[in-house]
Amino acid sequence: GQQVMQIPQYQHVQEGEDFTTYCNSSTTLSNIQWYKQRPGGHPVFLIQLVKSGEVKKQKRLTFQFGEAKKNSSLHITATQTTDVGTYFCPVLGGSARQLTFGSGTQLTVLP
Amino acid sequence: DVKVTQSSRYLVKRTGEKVFLECVQDMDHENMFWYRQDPGLGLRLIYFSYDVKMKEKGDIPEGYSVSREKKERFSLILESASTNQTSMYLCASTRGSDTEAFFGQGTRLTVV
Repeated sequence: GQQVMQIPQYQHVQEGEDFTTYCNSSTTLSNIQWYKQRPGGHPVFLIQLVKSGEVKKQKRLTFQFGEAKKNSSLHITATQTTDVGTYFCPVLGGSARQLTFGSGTQLTVLP
Repeated sequence: DVKVTQSSRYLVKRTGEKVFLECVQDMDHENMFWYRQDPGLGLRLIYFSYDVKMKEKGDIPEGYSVSREKKERFSLILESASTNQTSMYLCASTRGSDTEAFFGQGTRLTVV
């Protein structure tokens, strides 16, 4: 299925520092979603981006969809320990029904 | 509230056993998915289904089969469990092809 490269795979930050994770695709995406999985939990939907250049904010989280719709980023301002978890940007592939998640970015926030 | 329910939270099975993992959603969703999650490997798609009795292989279908006889239920079957199938299994469902996915709580399967 279609794959998106997500970087970095792991990130450790001090509480209060900013954090960014990136998703890059070789092909144009119709949309991109972001999910968060807390340790011991299951992935939970955060947001979906559809339009070229779209920027959406949820409190300290800023999501961006690239102009060419081939990349996306999630930026967290002033991280808190509650931000700990793995962030995924799954994409549709194959017959446009196959939802592929990949490795995600595992964020650790040090107090 | 939207709900995806997996039949077991923890399961221990013996090598060679036939194992059934059940997933039920109450949202009338078209699509259902089975993933396994292992440290450092993220979520890998095993199988998915876009309609009753329809199924498609994901990225790692070997050693697994699925069944979807009713819209709300999607079963993952390990025909002959092996120790390398010890993992966390996650079921998910979506209404359409580009709508948000809802996950079950996961089943941690240990094959001994």
